[in-house]
Amino acid sequence: GESVGLHLPTLSVQEGDNSIINCAYSNSASDYFIWYKQESGKGPQFIIDIRSNMDKRQGQRVTVLLNKTVKHLSLQIAATQPGDSAVYFCAENMGDSWGKLQFGAGTQVVVTP
Amino acid sequence: SQTIHQWPATLVQPVGSPLSLECTVEGTSNPNLYWYRQAAGRGLQLLFYSVGIGQISSEVPQNLSASRPQDRQFILSSKKLLLSDSGFYLCAWSLAPLTDTQYFGPGTRLTVL
Repeated sequence: GESVGLHLPTLSVQEGDNSIINCAYSNSASDYFIWYKQESGKGPQFIIDIRSNMDKRQGQRVTVLLNKTVKHLSLQIAATQPGDSAVYFCAENMGDSWGKLQFGAGTQVVVTP
Repeated sequence: SQTIHQWPATLVQPVGSPLSLECTVEGTSNPNLYWYRQAAGRGLQLLFYSVGIGQISSEVPQNLSASRPQDRQFILSSKKLLLSDSGFYLCAWSLAPLTDTQYFGPGTRLTVL
């Protein structure tokens, strides 16, 4: 079936460097994508979202890029900090009226000093 | 502002015992509500969603059930727990179809022994 998946299960980043987390999606009907951050033992926290009519959206230290041609989504974190260590999930909407989301498997980001 | 609560935060139950997890949302009306389960180191599996009082849709067959007795209250239950019911249970809300963004609660860690 159609699904959202992540390329790298674990990403090790040195503090101060930029992080790039990738996500592939296959549902061409999806028009809304979200990135969540989940710290250990906590619920996922909304980071940033993007609609399919956009290619790029920026937040505070985070940028989401959407490439609809190759169905690829990425999250860039600038100047990665120890507090950025977490699991990051991408999610796509299912195109229904109930707001259901399809989540990827997640990428563990480990920030090293 | 909107907030979402879940309790208990942690629960240890014997196999065959009943279960009741509660989720409440504050600061919004008529939200869509969702129950997810997350196995250790895994992604989120949608269990149930609700678009209104008494309206429950199940995503996967299992020995769990859900109820929505009030607009902002969502309950996850089981009559007899299985070992495989262990996991991290997350409740989320959204204002779909206005927006598909889901916001998560802090979660309940359930261990079935």
